[in-house]
Amino acid sequence: DAEITQSPRHKITETGRQVTLACHQTWNHNNMFWYRQDLGHGLRLIHYSYGVQDTNKGEVSDGYSVSRSNTEDLPLTLESAASSQTSVYFCASSSPSAGNTGELFFGEGSRLTVL
Amino acid sequence: KQEVTQIPAALSVPEGENLVLNCSFTDSAIYNLQWFRQDPGKGLTSLLLIQSSQREQTSGRLNASLDKSSGRSTLYIAASQPGDSATYLCAVPNSGGGADGLTFGKGTHLIIQP
Repeated sequence: DAEITQSPRHKITETGRQVTLACHQTWNHNNMFWYRQDLGHGLRLIHYSYGVQDTNKGEVSDGYSVSRSNTEDLPLTLESAASSQTSVYFCASSSPSAGNTGELFFGEGSRLTVL
Repeated sequence: KQEVTQIPAALSVPEGENLVLNCSFTDSAIYNLQWFRQDPGKGLTSLLLIQSSQREQTSGRLNASLDKSSGRSTLYIAASQPGDSATYLCAVPNSGGGADGLTFGKGTHLIIQP
């Protein structure tokens, strides 16, 4: 079955280190997204991509970057991790249809702790 | 900017009851609305996607309605079961039908008592 997988599922890092969270989907979806989920804030969009070589900033993009070199993968990089970036990160993908967003499918999440 | 509100924030009911979860959004120019379920420590599972041209969408014991003009959607759960315990979130596209992500409500935390 097609799926979307994230790795690592849990990571602890130190302030200032670079961290990369991987996201891989096998649906061949054009659209991919990264969200973070925090108590009191809910889900907030970090970055998104419409396809290969395309990336766009979301609501809370400061301190994060993404790259899209193929359809299947959208890695999220924290350039210099900060304690405020301790969160649960979710990757999602969708296939647009007739201009619509299309149904959104999520990975299981990556829990990041920055000490 | 689109804003999504879900009421109530939490709900606890005995098994077997029918219940309604509410979702409201500020910008009615949406192409669709999606309901998700999230279990503790897990990702979001898509339950129902309602296109703007539809008024209802059904899947098993779940029925979602959409009233664009009033900016409201409801998720109806029939004959609730303990396995329905989870957080339910609704979400709408950020801008019209564009593929620039969804705006989510903060969810309704549902507990079904056995």
